[in-house]
Order: sequence, then structure tokens, then C-alpha cells
Amino acid sequence: DSGVTQTPKHLITATGQRVTLRCSPRSGDLSVYWYQQSLDQGLQFLIQYYNGEERAKGNILERFSAQQFPDLHSELNLSSLELGDSALYFCASSGGQGATDTQYFGPGTRLTVL
Amino acid sequence: GQNIDQPTEMTATEGAIVQINCTYQTSGFNGLFWYQQHAGEAPTFLSYNVLDGLEEKGRFSSFLSRSKGYSYLLLKELQMKDSASYLCAVTLLGDSGGGADGLTFGKGTHLIIQP
Repeated sequence: DSGVTQTPKHLITATGQRVTLRCSPRSGDLSVYWYQQSLDQGLQFLIQYYNGEERAKGNILERFSAQQFPDLHSELNLSSLELGDSALYFCASSGGQGATDTQYFGPGTRLTVL
Repeated sequence: GQNIDQPTEMTATEGAIVQINCTYQTSGFNGLFWYQQHAGEAPTFLSYNVLDGLEEKGRFSSFLSRSKGYSYLLLKELQMKDSASYLCAVTLLGDSGGGADGLTFGKGTHLIIQP
């Protein structure tokens, strides 16, 4: 158990809908990262927040957005969902903001878009 | 762009040793991580290399050569529970120079352990 929690574990929805995924980092960690894992693309970095501020962006679509709240939990919002958005979404956390900090991953949310 | 290559699949025998290679072509290389991932589960941290050389941690060791853009993960005394995917990930210097980017992962090596 990494100490990172994610809810829900599974999510099934229809195309065009909007969903919110939630992540709570390990106690004391200030950075939260979001990743998408699909069978053909592997793990792809989406976005990083550090202490409430957006820190870095990866391959995140404009239909996706995220935020980190004062209590440091984070939410990833996915809208106008498409079939291709079906994937495992992982959240990871680390103590600092640097790329050399070890990232600890949560159990993931499996999103299925029908 | 960034490119990270790993073999797609490897098979090894219980009790033996296996080496999983990773080559990378990136700009602004900062360091390299290895993660283990069982199917449908979260990646778990195995090792981190930033300087050239070998890092040993129990049954697992990881090696890095920055000049060659090459790393390997060595697993000794293989156990059935080691059947998993092994992900090589590089960390890059962000645009700000502060190293803020997320990890860039290879597609992983699926390791099958046979009795």
C-alpha cells in the first residue's frame, strides 16, 4: 500500500459524459501527478500540481482538466468523453516538486466509456 | 522527441537471473527509474539511478550509463511472484530547468517466470 488513495476504483459511463476522478496523496506529500495508461500507449504523464499550483503539463487533452485543493487532494475532470478515453488513470504523489523525487502511485481508477 | 525502448516480453526460469534492458534518447536527461507493475495494479518503485554505475537493493540491481543512454534491471533468484511488467522511466529537466516534468515511461517489459 503506497498511501495514495484514489476513488472510484471503477467507473462506467457513456460517450459525451463528464466524470471526476479523485486522489488523496500520501501524508506530507505536496506534489500530485496524473497519468493515463492504455494498452497501446502505455503510461502517459498528464499533469502535475505542487501545493495547489499547476507545475507541469504533459499530454493532457483540452477536454481534461485538474485541480489541487488546499487540503492537497486532487481531482481530474474528464469531459465530452470518447471511447478512446477508456483507460486506467493513476495518480501519484511525491514529497517535493523535483523530477528526482520518487513518485508513489495510487491503485488507479479504471474508466470504461461505452 | 523522447524515445525509450524496452523488450516487449521476456521469459525466465524460477531461481535464475534475468536482465531487462532499457535504452533511451532524450533531451535534458535527469535520471532513470524502474517500476514493477502487476496486471491491473499500481506501479511500485524499485530503483532510481542518476549517476553512472550499479545500484544494488536485495535481489534487484539497476545499472545506468548516461553516455550510452542505457540502463538495465537485474533480477536474481527469480520467484514466481516476479512475473510482472517492468517499466523503465526517465525524468527530464523541465522547461523551467527545475525538473518539474512528470516521468516519461517506456512501454514496459512483460516478464514471465516459468517453474
